[in-house]
Amino acid sequence: EAGVAQSPRYKIIEKRQSVAFWCNPISGHATLYWYQQILGQGPKLLIQFQNNGVVDDSQLPKDRFSAERLKGVDSTLKIQPAKLEDSAVYLCASSTSTGNYGYTFGSGTRLTVV
Amino acid sequence: DQQVKQNSPSLSVQEGRISILNCDYTNSMFDYFLWYKKYPAEGPTFLISISSIKDKNEDGRFTVFLNKSAKHLSLHIVPSQPGDSAVYFCAARGSNYQLIWGAGTKLIIKP
Repeated sequence: EAGVAQSPRYKIIEKRQSVAFWCNPISGHATLYWYQQILGQGPKLLIQFQNNGVVDDSQLPKDRFSAERLKGVDSTLKIQPAKLEDSAVYLCASSTSTGNYGYTFGSGTRLTVV
Repeated sequence: DQQVKQNSPSLSVQEGRISILNCDYTNSMFDYFLWYKKYPAEGPTFLISISSIKDKNEDGRFTVFLNKSAKHLSLHIVPSQPGDSAVYFCAARGSNYQLIWGAGTKLIIKP
């Protein structure tokens, strides 16, 4: 079984630029999560999808962050414009359903905003 | 407002001994608790969980204990092995099924 694929692995951008991250979950996993992990902190949920619908985006800074999962498979998370405090690892995870916490995480994208 | 706290940023244990990782929480409404393990440059992997109606769950070398009155849980690893060296995250499930994560404890197993 292939794991959760994320790209790119690393990204360095200047503040006010835009950036996009891509995630392809495990085949058949209906639930997809985007987490932000700032250095020294635990992961924080940004958005949760069930198929192509949003279940929870209460902690997504919607003035600058957006995410979509149009066909209920892969997903894109975008930041526009980026701020210095957005420097973090962005983790994508998937599971068979909401409430199944045996998430499978991708390796993450490390974003540095300078 | 940290609802889940892991107060030890790091822990060093001799190989073969017991590793005990601790986690405290503040919200009595949490009903499910999980431990994840993370190696460098990889995403976290699910390790073990416990429901709030239980006080112990065991899986091989890993045991999680829950003390609801103290709002405290711990992960015991016996015996500790070099491959256990990683960052361990405690997480709790809130009312909207969202997981609230601790900041992690880095476990170092010394040979």
